Amino acid sequence: EIVMTQSPATLSVSPGERATLSCRASQSVSNNLAWYQQKPGQAPRVLIYGASTRATGIPARFSGSGSGTEFTLTISSLQSEDFAVYYCQHYNNWLTFGGGTKVEIK
Amino acid sequence: QVQLVQSGAEVKKPGASVKVSCKASHYTFTAYYMHWVRQAPGQGLEWMGIINPSSGSTNYAQKFQGRVTMTRDTSTSTVYMELISLRSEDTAVYYCARAQSGYDYSPFDYWGQGTLVTASS
Repeated sequence: EIVMTQSPATLSVSPGERATLSCRASQSVSNNLAWYQQKPGQAPRVLIYGASTRATGIPARFSGSGSGTEFTLTISSLQSEDFAVYYCQHYNNWLTFGGGTKVEIK
Repeated sequence: QVQLVQSGAEVKKPGASVKVSCKASHYTFTAYYMHWVRQAPGQGLEWMGIINPSSGSTNYAQKFQGRVTMTRDTSTSTVYMELISLRSEDTAVYYCARAQSGYDYSPFDYWGQGTLVTASS
């Protein structure tokens, strides 16, 4: 089973600042990587798939990069509604989630 | 507008079983794979397995093999997830989620609202 490791576990950021979240796979998943955002009491929603393609309706301040084993989600200028938990997920012939990164207000 | 509507919260005693439903609407039910994911209180997302609504074929995460069964009813566009031999550690919110393309392992574009299952004596 491919293990997905996210870092950091918690990221404290001020509104308007840039946030960079990391996700590492224990073996290559090619570009079969998605990012989800989850707010308290809500189901997750997909932000990015194919490592770098924004899902429908996702603002341009969200961007994804990477391939193979190293991936990054960048939020260019944090808005109040972006404080949430973010999960990466690989879907390379199976499926696992990372442990999540909580983005909190600094 | 695609909708996945799940059944309501359940409270079960350890050792019992639970069956959660997920009714799909506003798309061709048999054209998209469905997954189940759970989330224990304050914890991350855990993938449980997948069902092909067209054929009924399934694949389960190793952790749940032998305890989980996923089925579907094409006449009502509903998928089901049954978990047996419940333990306190199974207390979680259970989600159904649709794979966004015609492929089995692909990102999830729509999610149910979640069903809280509490296993407690």
